[in-house]
Amino acid sequence: EPEVTQTPSHQVTQMGQEVILRCVPISNHLYFYWYRQILGQKVEFLVSFYNNEISEKSEIFDDQFSVERPDGSNFTLKIRSTKLEDSAMYFCASSEVLMAGNGYTFGSGTRLTVV
Amino acid sequence: DAKTTQPPSMDCAEGRAANLPCNHSTISGNEYVYWYRQIHSQGPQYIIHGLKNNETNEMASLIITEDRKSSTLILPHATLRDTAVYYCIVYQSSNTGKLIFGQGTTLQVKP
Repeated sequence: EPEVTQTPSHQVTQMGQEVILRCVPISNHLYFYWYRQILGQKVEFLVSFYNNEISEKSEIFDDQFSVERPDGSNFTLKIRSTKLEDSAMYFCASSEVLMAGNGYTFGSGTRLTVV
Repeated sequence: DAKTTQPPSMDCAEGRAANLPCNHSTISGNEYVYWYRQIHSQGPQYIIHGLKNNETNEMASLIITEDRKSSTLILPHATLRDTAVYYCIVYQSSNTGKLIFGQGTTLQVKP
């Protein structure tokens, strides 16, 4: 069964450093998403992306965040200057069409720890 | 905020049916009910969705009341691997794909 692949599975970074979280969506999917989950809290929407543009972003997704699909296969989330409160699981997801019958497929996540 | 209300936790005996309720009393006509689950800290996994009619797939059944104000997810023969947090999500088809997760129901399947 096709999978969404996220790398790395765990990243530790110092406060103020830039991080790039990488995702390889399912190959024929056109819609891409990032979510995050702070330990013990809800899964929160960050951003949706289609046709090389952001479709929607949440209040969390401020100027420190950016997304990119640099080469037609990868989908990246960049945090420019990490803060302690950015520590969370970050999930990438993709779908073939907008909310297809199978919903999204989520990756297994990247655990970001900011120290 | 999430437009759904779910009990925070439920237990179920292994091999028995797990019935997970969800209230969505403010749902509108073009909004679907989606169910996802999250096993431990993995990414959420799609289970099933419906609009008005009851639905069944290889994982579960979804029963939606006639007034659409509530629904029940049924796992017919729960196994230990079904222990997870189950999320009921109301989604409008015209959205950009954004899902709003609530706290969900933590289902503990016991031997």
